[in-house]
Amino acid sequence: NAGVTQTPKFQVLKTGQSMTLQCAQDMNHEYMSWYRQDPGMGLRLIHYSVGAGITDQGEVPNGYNVSRSTTEDFPLRLLSAAPSQTSVYFCASRPVGEPTPNTGELFFGEGSRLTVL
Amino acid sequence: AQSVAQPEDQVNVAEGNPLTVKCTYSVSGNPYLFWYVQYPNRGLQFLLKYITGDNLVKGSYGFEAEFNKSQTSFHLKKPSALVSDSALYFCAVRDRLNTDKLIFGTGTRLQVFP
Repeated sequence: NAGVTQTPKFQVLKTGQSMTLQCAQDMNHEYMSWYRQDPGMGLRLIHYSVGAGITDQGEVPNGYNVSRSTTEDFPLRLLSAAPSQTSVYFCASRPVGEPTPNTGELFFGEGSRLTVL
Repeated sequence: AQSVAQPEDQVNVAEGNPLTVKCTYSVSGNPYLFWYVQYPNRGLQFLLKYITGDNLVKGSYGFEAEFNKSQTSFHLKKPSALVSDSALYFCAVRDRLNTDKLIFGTGTRLQVFP
């Protein structure tokens, strides 16, 4: 059972370039989300999805796009990278349906470290 | 709006001593509260959660946390620290009324010295 898989683990971009961070989970979780982690800022929610075809914005959505065509995949797209998007990105998932014994517990990927020059 | 505060950037403790990592929260209703741990170059791992019931919650690796509604706190504790407990710890809150978003604190680095 792989859990949440993120690719790539490391990426260096130039300002203005585009790229997609991939996230896949094999736990059949309806909820998936993207966070960015910056020193002194903790984790901030970028976008999330409660099921295929449904996405919504988090705290810091500007500069990022998402889509959810399948339950398993939740890619994060940077259309025109900026140095301010240099960060470590985490994808996380959980089941939906309250109340359950697993209420709210998120399962995280290992992270993708992005540097924008 | 819901928020979480971790007032200490770093906590230092000697191995074998008790440890406490502080967390306070603000939500509009009754909260779901969580602690996660992050080891270097890894993703976050779930430690424990408070949903309802007993205010003292026990979790993984001997950690526990006490929910205090009057003080809006959810401090993480361990009776005897290990060097291997050294990591970054995050408190998180989820509003029962707005259940789609989990809001994290800024993190506290725990350093346990031999």
